[in-house]
Amino acid sequence: DAGITQSPRHKVTETGTPVTLRCHQTENHRYMYWYRQDPGHGLRLIHYSYGVKDTDKGEVSDGYSVSRSKTEDFLLTLESATSSQTSVYFCAISEGPGSAQHFGDGTRLSIL
Amino acid sequence: QQQVKQSPQSLIVQKGGISIINCAYENTAFDYFPWYQQFPGKGPALLIAIRPDVSEKKEGRFTISFNKSAKQFSLHIMDSQPGDSATYFCAASMRAAGNKLTFGGGTRVLVKP
Repeated sequence: DAGITQSPRHKVTETGTPVTLRCHQTENHRYMYWYRQDPGHGLRLIHYSYGVKDTDKGEVSDGYSVSRSKTEDFLLTLESATSSQTSVYFCAISEGPGSAQHFGDGTRLSIL
Repeated sequence: QQQVKQSPQSLIVQKGGISIINCAYENTAFDYFPWYQQFPGKGPALLIAIRPDVSEKKEGRFTISFNKSAKQFSLHIMDSQPGDSATYFCAASMRAAGNKLTFGGGTRVLVKP
């Protein structure tokens, strides 16, 4: 398995609170991605990073921000969580364009 | 806008049978087409992938067929086993656009013993 650790694995929080999810990799891959998975939608890209401090938006970026201050860590922040952000969040890593993406085991986030 | 459409949503097959999952895409700039397998509580795991210059790729019991003119690709699971029971996702990406994956909606496969 690719060396990807997501934390926390489960979280329950209330509407309006800030939430930060962490993705840590030990593979030294340049690219990192955050996806959310919802029934019937497959996985949808939120944000991705192509290097330290280099990030870009994905398909469903509204309400989310990211930061990458070092190669191994990619943080996803919900500034003010809403119930529509209840989902399973997956981090993925890749060596670069043309290379496969490998996924972590996800964070199940419930916003009440 | 769903750029990758996957069917069927669910599939039941007998042990030893063939599972077939189909995907259609819209963006002709896609140049990488992977299939992922996901078990409950786990992240998607890369199963097999193909590029548009190849019409078929086989790895063990898993085969991707690719039809560039029809903008369609499919996964065939031969000799299906109960351990193959999982959700399968097709996806597509462009190397020139950061290799961001666009996923199909998924197919839940159940292999009956």
